[in-house]
Amino acid sequence: NAGVTQTPKFRVLKTGQSMTLLCAQDMNHEYMYWYRQDPGMGLRLIHYSVGEGTTAKGEVPDGYNVSRLKKQNFLLGLESAAPSQTSVYFCASSYGLQKQYFGPGTRLTVT
Amino acid sequence: KNQVEQSPQSLIILEGKNCTLQCNYTVSPFSNLRWYKQDTGRGPVSLTIMTFSENTKSNGRYTATLDADTKQSSLHITASQLSDSASYICVVSDGDYKLSFGAGTTVTVRA
Repeated sequence: NAGVTQTPKFRVLKTGQSMTLLCAQDMNHEYMYWYRQDPGMGLRLIHYSVGEGTTAKGEVPDGYNVSRLKKQNFLLGLESAAPSQTSVYFCASSYGLQKQYFGPGTRLTVT
Repeated sequence: KNQVEQSPQSLIILEGKNCTLQCNYTVSPFSNLRWYKQDTGRGPVSLTIMTFSENTKSNGRYTATLDADTKQSSLHITASQLSDSASYICVVSDGDYKLSFGAGTTVTVRA
């Protein structure tokens, strides 16, 4: 039982490049979330999903897109990366609105 | 605007000593309050979840308290160990998908 996994662990992008972060969970959770964590700030919700095929905007969605084609996977896309998107990205999943389980994070640097 | 304020920002304690972390929130409506532990380079891990009717909850050497009237919570660490060195994050739920995260308190335990 791997819990929540994220791919990749680290990535360096140049401004304007695109990439996709993959999150996978094996707990059969309906809810999945993408957060970003910046120094001195609390985690902020980018997008979330309450089930396969559904997504919704969180607190800071601009510059990001998501897809939930399979229940166990939640993808976060950056179409044209900007230095302001340098951050650590965490994926989480939960059974309804209960305790969230977090992945190990992806450290992204945009130069 | 919903806010979660944590204090102190950081603290250093000697192994075996106790410490208490504070969390004040202005989230409304209130559903539950959670404490997470985040080791360096890892995702947050849930320690406790307390609803409105609970004023204390323990998880091993961690004890959380909640005063819903004053909108304050504390996390007490008893007989600290080196493995307690981490960031401790207070999170408040309004009952919907969105959680309000504090910036965290960084605890360093020294031998």
